[in-house]
Amino acid sequence: QKEVEQDPGPLSVPEGAIVSLNCTYSNSAFQYFMWYRQYSRKGPELLMYTYSSGNKEDGRFTAQVDKSSKYISLFIRDSQPSDSATYLCAMSQGAQKLVFGQGTRLTINP
Amino acid sequence: DTAVSQTPKYLVTQMGNDKSIKCEQNLGHDTMYWYKQDSKKFLKIMFSYNNKELIINETVPNRFSPKSPDKAHLNLHINSLELGDSAVYFCASSQDSVLAEKLFFGSGTQLSVL
Repeated sequence: QKEVEQDPGPLSVPEGAIVSLNCTYSNSAFQYFMWYRQYSRKGPELLMYTYSSGNKEDGRFTAQVDKSSKYISLFIRDSQPSDSATYLCAMSQGAQKLVFGQGTRLTINP
Repeated sequence: DTAVSQTPKYLVTQMGNDKSIKCEQNLGHDTMYWYKQDSKKFLKIMFSYNNKELIINETVPNRFSPKSPDKAHLNLHINSLELGDSAVYFCASSQDSVLAEKLFFGSGTQLSVL
């Protein structure tokens, strides 16, 4: 079993839809939870950063962490074609070594 | 002005050759990394340097040797390239080893070993 599981998709939704992306993990020591966005042929860029459990909102993006269920989510409201990318969850214990999920490939159709 | 830049962007080479990838960051960060992304998009850390000192060395073959001449540069040299080395290699940096979760990535080097 991988430490971090993420459905690779692909996921295709119409413009304006609410998108839900998820990861599960097995290591209860993880404390830092991130979402990175990766456009084709580019490096990942940090989208959301959360410490421990709870919600964090930034514009159209909301990150949720449920440590009791070992489950994290990223919600995108009013999705736009420019949101089309691969979304990677990542987590760490704070010892620098990030563990990444496989990434979910998302397409927003105009 | 590109924050983390790596060269070359594409590298096509024969098995058995030796090649290098260079990385530079102009963010003033103390910590730099090499990550490998395979064909299934899994991104895995290979090495991490903090102020020119090696601090993370994952289970990577000895054929891979990182070198940090100063804290703004981290190069990766690969000896005796094998087919399985084909992947995208990303350089990244973080402000310091404490804020390691906030990574800034370069655009990647697509390595194809024939």
